[in-house]
Amino acid sequence: AQSVTQLGSHVSVSEGALVLLRCNYSSSVPPYLFWYVQYPNQGLQLLLKYTSAATLVKGINGFEAEFKKSETSFHLTKPSAHMSDAAEYFCAVSDTTGANNLFFGTGTRLTVIP
Amino acid sequence: SQTIHQWPATLVQPVGSPLSLECTVEGTSNPNLYWYRQAAGRGLQLLFYSVGIGQISSEVPQNLSASRPQDRQFILSSKKLLLSDSGFYLCAWNRRSGANVLTFGAGSRLTVL
Repeated sequence: AQSVTQLGSHVSVSEGALVLLRCNYSSSVPPYLFWYVQYPNQGLQLLLKYTSAATLVKGINGFEAEFKKSETSFHLTKPSAHMSDAAEYFCAVSDTTGANNLFFGTGTRLTVIP
Repeated sequence: SQTIHQWPATLVQPVGSPLSLECTVEGTSNPNLYWYRQAAGRGLQLLFYSVGIGQISSEVPQNLSASRPQDRQFILSSKKLLLSDSGFYLCAWNRRSGANVLTFGAGSRLTVL
């Protein structure tokens, strides 16, 4: 079965510092992978997706993620954190069993310190 | 363009009362529809999904039910709410084929007292 693990439920960075949010996946077939962002009391918004094309995927708001098959990882990065990046981030992997669903990690709350 | 609407945005209900949350999608046809629940400090739990009118799959047996009376309408219901039903409920949709990208509604926050 497919699953994702997000290491670190809370991450704090200083404004202007590198953001690194970790995600490892488990999938018996080549996966589709996603990062979503959730601002307080809102739905989830797609940041970026990997669908077996380029391994380095660029998303919105300056975020990017790299698919590394050897490490089964899909970590999310941003070179310089902005105060507006404070939110909860979810990694997800596609369900390949026919439901067309996504399996989500438990999320990482990013705090940006001024 | 496609849009997804959820209502009500906020709901406070007593234990034992009924529940109805509605979700509609515009600008597409034959979508897959999903209900997720997000409890405080936890990730997203898939509750129900539907691939067509009247077709509902339940992922977690519980006090809730779902219905899809029309192609682009998805309803989450309960006959008697429990305290443990409190949470943030998210409706989402995606296409039948493709890269599984889910588009979410703005969510409905339910507090059961």
